Amino acid sequence: ETGVTQTPRHLVMGMTNKKSLKCEQHLGHNAMYWYKQSAKKPLELMFVYNFKEQTENNSVPSRFSPECPNSSHLFLHLHTLQPEDSALYLCASSHTRGTNTEAFFGQGTRLTVV
Amino acid sequence: AQRVTQPEKLLSVFKGAPVELKCNYSYSGSPELFWYVQYSRQRLQLLLRHISRESIKGFTADLNKGETSFHLKKPFAQEEDSAMYYCALIVSNTGKLIFGQGTTLQVKP
Repeated sequence: ETGVTQTPRHLVMGMTNKKSLKCEQHLGHNAMYWYKQSAKKPLELMFVYNFKEQTENNSVPSRFSPECPNSSHLFLHLHTLQPEDSALYLCASSHTRGTNTEAFFGQGTRLTVV
Repeated sequence: AQRVTQPEKLLSVFKGAPVELKCNYSYSGSPELFWYVQYSRQRLQLLLRHISRESIKGFTADLNKGETSFHLKKPFAQEEDSAMYYCALIVSNTGKLIFGQGTTLQVKP
C-alpha cells in the first residue's frame, strides 16, 4: 500500500451524468496531481495542486473540474463527458522540495463514458 | 520546452539478453530524472532516480547531459522485468512531473 487511495476503482457514466473521482493521501505530501492514461496516448498531466493551490491546468476541458479542499484530498468532478474521455485516471502525490520528490500513485479509476 | 521522449513503444528481448530503454529529454536547467515502472495490474511506481545513482533490480541509468539522455539498462533481462517503463522529468520546485510516452518491455522465455 503506497498511501494513495482512489475511489471508485471503476466508473461507468452516461454523457449527461455528473460524477466525482476521489483521491486521498496520508503521506504528508504537499502536492497532488491528476493524470490521464489512455491506450493510445502517453501519460497526460491534467492538474497540479501545491499546498491546495492549483498550479497547473494543462489545457484540460472545463467538463473536468478539480477540487482540492486540503493537502490530503483531491477530487475530479466530471460532467457532460464524451466517449473519448474514457481512460484510466491516476492520482499522485509528492513532496516538491527536498531530496525526496518521488511521486506515489494510486491504483487509478477506470472510467468508461457511454 | 520541457519534454521527455521515449522513441520505442515496444522492446522485445529474450531472457538473459541485455536491455536498453532509451530516454531523451529537453529541459533548460539542471534536470531531475526518474524511471517509473508499471507491472501488469499494479500501480505505477518509482524504479530509480538519477540522483540516487543506485542499481534497482539490476537496472541502472546514467544521466548524460551532453546527449540529454537517461537510458535505462540491464545486462541480463528476466521475465519478471516485463512491464511498461516510463521516463520522467520533474520541473524544480513545482512538482510537475512530465512523462515520456512509455516503452513496453517484453522479455520472452
